[in-house]
Amino acid sequence: EAGVVQSPRYKIIEKKQPVAFWCNPISGHNTLYWYLQNLGQGPELLIRYENEEAVDDSQLPKDRFSAERLKGVDSTLKIQPAELGDSAVYLCASSFSGLTNNEQFFGPGTRLTVL
Amino acid sequence: QKEVEQDPGPLSVPEGAIVSLNCTYSNSAFQYFMWYRQYSRKGPELLMYTYSSGNKEDGRFTAQVDKSSKYISLFIRDSQPSDSATYLCAMSAPNDYKLSFGAGTTVTVRA
Repeated sequence: EAGVVQSPRYKIIEKKQPVAFWCNPISGHNTLYWYLQNLGQGPELLIRYENEEAVDDSQLPKDRFSAERLKGVDSTLKIQPAELGDSAVYLCASSFSGLTNNEQFFGPGTRLTVL
Repeated sequence: QKEVEQDPGPLSVPEGAIVSLNCTYSNSAFQYFMWYRQYSRKGPELLMYTYSSGNKEDGRFTAQVDKSSKYISLFIRDSQPSDSATYLCAMSAPNDYKLSFGAGTTVTVRA
């Protein structure tokens, strides 16, 4: 079974430039999450989708971050414009909402460096 | 104060040693407790999952939850160099899909 796929794996941009990350969840998983992981820290939730609906975006900095999951499968997270403090690993995870244990499966992440 | 506290280490042990990791938390609503393992430049992978209090054993790994003390532990017996990774504790409340993570403890097992 294929895991969560993310691309690109690494991205280096200059500040004020836009950047986008893509995620394809595990087949059949209707819940998709985007997390931010700073160096030496645990992941922090940015946004959660149930199918195509963003059901929790309370931690997403909406002035510069946006996300979409138009067909309820893959998702894109965008930053525009990027700031130096956005340098981090952006993780995508997916789960099946029919389970009560909330087991989430993570992708390898996109490591963003903003210069 | 963070909702989940985890000693970041780093922890360095010789091969074959027992590794002991722990987390404390403040939210009494947490019922689901997980340990994720994260290798360098990889995403976290679920290692152990425990519901409510008690112990769970899986091979060389044992997870313990003490809800009265708001304290969870992970023990790795007969540690191997392949166990070298960062271990993250995570927890959530019923019907809440948000996982609250600890900062992670970096473990190195020396051959």
